[in-house]
Amino acid sequence: DTGVSQNPRHKITKRGQNVTFRCDPISEHNRLYWYRQTLGQGPEFLTYFQNEAQLEKSRLLSDRFSAERPKGSFSTLEIQRTEQGDSAMYLCASTKGAVDQPQHFGDGTRLSIL
Amino acid sequence: GESVGLHLPTLSVQEGDNSIINCAYSNSASDYFIWYKQESGKGPQFIIDIRSNMDKRQGQRVTVLLNKTVKHLSLQIAATQPGDSAVYFCAEIRGDKLIFGTGTRLQVFP
Repeated sequence: DTGVSQNPRHKITKRGQNVTFRCDPISEHNRLYWYRQTLGQGPEFLTYFQNEAQLEKSRLLSDRFSAERPKGSFSTLEIQRTEQGDSAMYLCASTKGAVDQPQHFGDGTRLSIL
Repeated sequence: GESVGLHLPTLSVQEGDNSIINCAYSNSASDYFIWYKQESGKGPQFIIDIRSNMDKRQGQRVTVLLNKTVKHLSLQIAATQPGDSAVYFCAEIRGDKLIFGTGTRLQVFP
């Protein structure tokens, strides 16, 4: 399968714990995006990378959130000191080059905070 | 599996009929639009895209229409099948990111 891969698919943790998600984009896609989706809503942009450079961060991305893409391939999204409001689906998408190319999504990581 | 969009607008169609899903966008400067299909427990799946220099684009069983005058986008699905049941989102490119519209749940009944 050569699509976008996200791990884990589900994560259940207690409030206050740290969690880390991984995204493997489609090979040779140099742009990688993170979105968050809550029930009944469309995905909301969090941040994106072009190669290893993080180019934009949403105001939704508080100081507790950090994303990396160290070698321009896979990316990680870490949430520190999780809160109940962090419960959501975290989606990753990738695209090749220009903004007018479709973004292809993974199946997300479902985070549940107890 | 978990449902996506429990309180979304819903379109119910009979199998074999054509479906039309509508979307309004807000930014008149947007020049690229995408329709996505999202099934329960999965990520959005690309269906079809259209650039602002076009007003119609056709794919396999799907057609997207763009009316820039009223900032309206529609997705037409021909001969709707049970496998088309999902939540559909339109999205516009704003800057370097996608802005998603309110989804529509499509239900296909026999």
